[in-house]
Amino acid sequence: NAGVTQTPKFRVLKTGQSMTLLCAQDMNHEYMYWYRQDPGMGLRLIHYSVGEGTTAKGEVPDGYNVSRLKKQNFLLGLESAAPSQTSVYFCASSYRPGLAGITDTQYFGPGTRLTVL
Amino acid sequence: DAKTTQPPSMDCAEGRAANLPCNHSTISGNEYVYWYRQIHSQGPQYIIHGLKNNETNEMASLIITEDRKSSTLILPHATLRDTAVYYCIAQDNYGQNFVFGPGTRLSVLP
Repeated sequence: NAGVTQTPKFRVLKTGQSMTLLCAQDMNHEYMYWYRQDPGMGLRLIHYSVGEGTTAKGEVPDGYNVSRLKKQNFLLGLESAAPSQTSVYFCASSYRPGLAGITDTQYFGPGTRLTVL
Repeated sequence: DAKTTQPPSMDCAEGRAANLPCNHSTISGNEYVYWYRQIHSQGPQYIIHGLKNNETNEMASLIITEDRKSSTLILPHATLRDTAVYYCIAQDNYGQNFVFGPGTRLSVLP
């Protein structure tokens, strides 16, 4: 199993450009998440999805959109990039917490380093 | 979700046990304690979790106090590769919003 993969690994954008980050998981997980991590900080949740076709806002959703058209993929979009969105973006996935015996252990991808000039 | 507090940094000699404390004095009865680590800006890696009882796996041991207000992650024989930021998270089993604070930066010294 590849686990959680993210593409691209690095990207440089100019202010106002748009892009999509792709997250894929092959563990048949129901839940998927997008986090951002700024230098010296912990991770902050941007958006998450509890299943195919569903999305929900996290702690810092402004400036981002997401889609979960397939169970294994979770896309994060930046419509008009801003320098404040320079960060490392992590995707994660988990089984559905709350099921008997299933806890909320999340599995993370390697991250995408995004710089917005 | 309960807030956790951890020391910002710790050192440990290679080969010795690393004991990382976490305070979660407002934890509720249905919240688990999770530990993750992040090595040099890689994606966070799950280590261990527990509810009431002490837990052990191939990576670490988790000791939770009887009143559940604090816990300690133990790496029994720390190696240089254990140098990382360690995050303690208190989360119920139905939440979708893990709160990653700044964590503890553990430096394992040769």
